[in-house]
Amino acid sequence: EVQLVESGGGLVQPGRSLKLSCAASGFTYSNYVMAWVRQAPTKGLEWVASISTGGGNTYYRDSVKGRFTISRDNAKNTLYLQIDSLRSEDTATYYCAKGQLRRASFDYWGQGVMVTVSS
Amino acid sequence: DIQMTQSPASLSASLGETVTIECRASEDIYNGLAWYQQKPGKSPQLLIYNANSLHTGVPSRFSGSGSGTQYSLKINSLQSEDVASYFCQQYYNYPLTFGSGTKLEIK
Repeated sequence: EVQLVESGGGLVQPGRSLKLSCAASGFTYSNYVMAWVRQAPTKGLEWVASISTGGGNTYYRDSVKGRFTISRDNAKNTLYLQIDSLRSEDTATYYCAKGQLRRASFDYWGQGVMVTVSS
Repeated sequence: DIQMTQSPASLSASLGETVTIECRASEDIYNGLAWYQQKPGKSPQLLIYNANSLHTGVPSRFSGSGSGTQYSLKINSLQSEDVASYFCQQYYNYPLTFGSGTKLEIK
């Protein structure tokens, strides 16, 4: 059974940093593109970043470039999102998502982790 | 960036009815489209990929169609468990983009 379990969220002051983790199990983690997708309270889904199977290629939405860093550890079956210079507009539930083979649609999602940016 | 325009924003239908949700892309996305269902308080779940392929375990009353810039999700014989928000997503090109969502309720 595929499982994605996020951790690391919380209440953070603007300008501070946070690192989210996603522990994956139930599939051959190193074979799949992984991504982070967020959802602000009562809003829609917003893709944040994706990373290739080996970690050599990363993709970001413009609004997070230079502040967010996606990475993965294939030995630990874990996905990460380093979030720096947090802004109030980063307040959202962050989902870890598994890409399908050879396409960037997402067939499994974690339960989500809440990040609240507030002073 | 490819913009995804989804309609309607909300929809109310009776049990057993058929409903259709539309998504229009700002350019041709060559069937690189997925549909997701998100029930209240839950994570999204994949329904359809490649515009018309049903994901494993998804009931056959869900179907997807379309091509080019116009795509649709149809739900036949609406059930109470279909109450949810539905989102389209294009994956033809980065940045990946989602539609704004359709909230489906039962009359």
